[in-house]
Amino acid sequence: QKEVEQNSGPLSVPEGAIASLNCTYSDRGSQSFFWYRQYSGKSPELIMFIYSNGDKEDGRFTAQLNKASQYVSLLIRDSQPSDSATYLCAVNSGYSTLTFGKGTMLLVSP
Amino acid sequence: EAQVTQNPRYLITVTGKKLTVTCSQNMNHEYMSWYRQDPGLGLRQIYYSMNVEVTDKGDVPEGYKVSRKEKRNFPLILESPSPNQTSLYFCASSPGPTDYEKLFFGSGTQLSVL
Repeated sequence: QKEVEQNSGPLSVPEGAIASLNCTYSDRGSQSFFWYRQYSGKSPELIMFIYSNGDKEDGRFTAQLNKASQYVSLLIRDSQPSDSATYLCAVNSGYSTLTFGKGTMLLVSP
Repeated sequence: EAQVTQNPRYLITVTGKKLTVTCSQNMNHEYMSWYRQDPGLGLRQIYYSMNVEVTDKGDVPEGYKVSRKEKRNFPLILESPSPNQTSLYFCASSPGPTDYEKLFFGSGTQLSVL
């Protein structure tokens, strides 16, 4: 069974701080890695994807991938209360399938 | 506007009463998929379809049926719902089966089976 593991949280950070969200995956053959943000009762929204080892930055978000360690992370700089949500890590686990982690709840306090 | 439309948004039903959750996309996407989301279990794939008349099981297909007679529609059928199928359901579509970064989600259907 291919697995994607995330700490369920909640991860609490003060406004303006850096939030660091982590994810590990079991399938060494995975090539595509995604971070989704999901507000309560809403659908997941893609915020970052990364395919190569290293860092990828987009605005306040940075995705980091280390395939050797089977580890992917998401950094959110200058965290805002509006960033409070559940963040889902997803990994391709087959030709047409994404496997999702259970999500990490992030709480940003004003 | 590009979208994936699910109906209904909320549904309360009783055990054993057949129901259908509809899903329609207006983007001419080939790939469509159904997920369920439960607290503590995350998003799990139920079924997916790579094109018309082509469907396959995901991780949790038991108790569900799907059909793909038209490219735009991918209904989820619960022939005899049970309380353990109470969940939040999402339909999603993408241009192709590996266009993961272009996966569009519907707004979700909250199903309660009493």
